[in-house]
Amino acid sequence: AQSVTQLDSHVSVSEGTPVLLRCNYSSSYSPSLFWYVQHPNKGLQLLLKYTSAATLVKGINGFEAEFKKSETSFHLTKPSAHMSDAAEYFCVVSGTGANNLFFGTGTRLTVIP
Amino acid sequence: GAGVSQSPSNKVTEKGKDVELRCDPISGHTALYWYRQSLGQGLEFLIYFQGNSAPDKSGLPSDRFSAERTGGSVSTLTIQRTQQEDSAVYLCASSLTFGQASYEQYFGPGTRLTVT
Repeated sequence: AQSVTQLDSHVSVSEGTPVLLRCNYSSSYSPSLFWYVQHPNKGLQLLLKYTSAATLVKGINGFEAEFKKSETSFHLTKPSAHMSDAAEYFCVVSGTGANNLFFGTGTRLTVIP
Repeated sequence: GAGVSQSPSNKVTEKGKDVELRCDPISGHTALYWYRQSLGQGLEFLIYFQGNSAPDKSGLPSDRFSAERTGGSVSTLTIQRTQQEDSAVYLCASSLTFGQASYEQYFGPGTRLTVT
């Protein structure tokens, strides 16, 4: 069975400082992993995805994530936060069957000017 | 090109009324999904369509919920006799195909449903 745990429901950082959003997953096979971002009143947008190629994945807007199988983690990072990064972030693991995306409960990122 | 669109963007309805939510997927996408996002929750899968195959309804929370997809394109999610616990954002997504580990789902902006 597949599941995702986002360890922080809310993260607050100052503008210009690093961002770390934590995600641990559980999967009975080699999964694909995704990070989606949701800005207020907007649809979900794919930030990046891991599909068994390079373990360090670069996404849009300067975000990247590293797949660590030994730690079953897929944490999202960014070296320097921007005000426009304030949003809800979802870690997602792929499954099988129709319900093939399992979403975490989300982490709300606040950026302080 | 155009993304996934949903209408209405907001819907307020009285308890017990029926509502219809519409989704226009990206042209050419054969797979279409409906999700529900309640306050403070992750996304809850509801139903999935793939081409002309019978939909997978395994995520629908009750028989008050139904969905159809006409002509392999536009989809309508219907909630009958709405209850207050149905209040949520309903998201639609589409993808090129199903079963590929690397596929991407493209999401619409959602319909915010409020049942009073």
